[in-house]
Amino acid sequence: DGGITQSPKYLFRKEGQNVTLSCEQNLNHDAMYWYRQDPGQGLRLIYYSQIVNDFQKGDIAEGYSVSREKKESFPLTVTSAQKNPTAFYLCASSGQGSNQPQHFGDGTRLSIL
Amino acid sequence: AQSVTQLGSHVSVSEGALVLLRCNYSSSVPPYLFWYVQYPNQGLQLLLKYTTGATLVKGINGFEAEFKKSETSFHLTKPSAHMSDAAEYFCAVSDPPQNEKLTFGTGTRLTIIP
Repeated sequence: DGGITQSPKYLFRKEGQNVTLSCEQNLNHDAMYWYRQDPGQGLRLIYYSQIVNDFQKGDIAEGYSVSREKKESFPLTVTSAQKNPTAFYLCASSGQGSNQPQHFGDGTRLSIL
Repeated sequence: AQSVTQLGSHVSVSEGALVLLRCNYSSSVPPYLFWYVQYPNQGLQLLLKYTTGATLVKGINGFEAEFKKSETSFHLTKPSAHMSDAAEYFCAVSDPPQNEKLTFGTGTRLTIIP
């Protein structure tokens, strides 16, 4: 069954530590996205990639980094520079064409120890 | 940049009653419009979308939405609420218009009263 897999479901980070969230899709989609979700704020775009080896900053990219070495994979690293990383992180992908909907994974909840 | 306003962060309706969730966008050029639903600790699932053509769009689970250009609105409705409709609902618009990026509203949490 095609879809988007995010792992792990729950992640804990110590102060000063980088952590990487995994996102894999088998939908053959060109575009992939990372969002951060906080209560009452909806979804905010962190980074997006429309093609392999290329990505753009979203609205809240500071303290985050990404790579897109394979079409299927778009990992997000939350660096120690991100001062308030506790949130629910959602990965999405979409096919070619701006009228294509985004498909979402089930999210990773990151907490600070 | 686009903005999306969802009036009412919390909406409660009785089971069997009409569901109306409001969404207004800011754009002089009609964007692509989407409604998503999110159940607790899960990702978002597409309910319906408007791109071109008929302005009344039918989606899954009995939901529909009407694109009204003159009112810059895309309100979501369902004639009869079911307990399983309890979730959070997000309106999203393509940003810039007719682009792959989306801007999301802040969401409306729907509670169904038995």
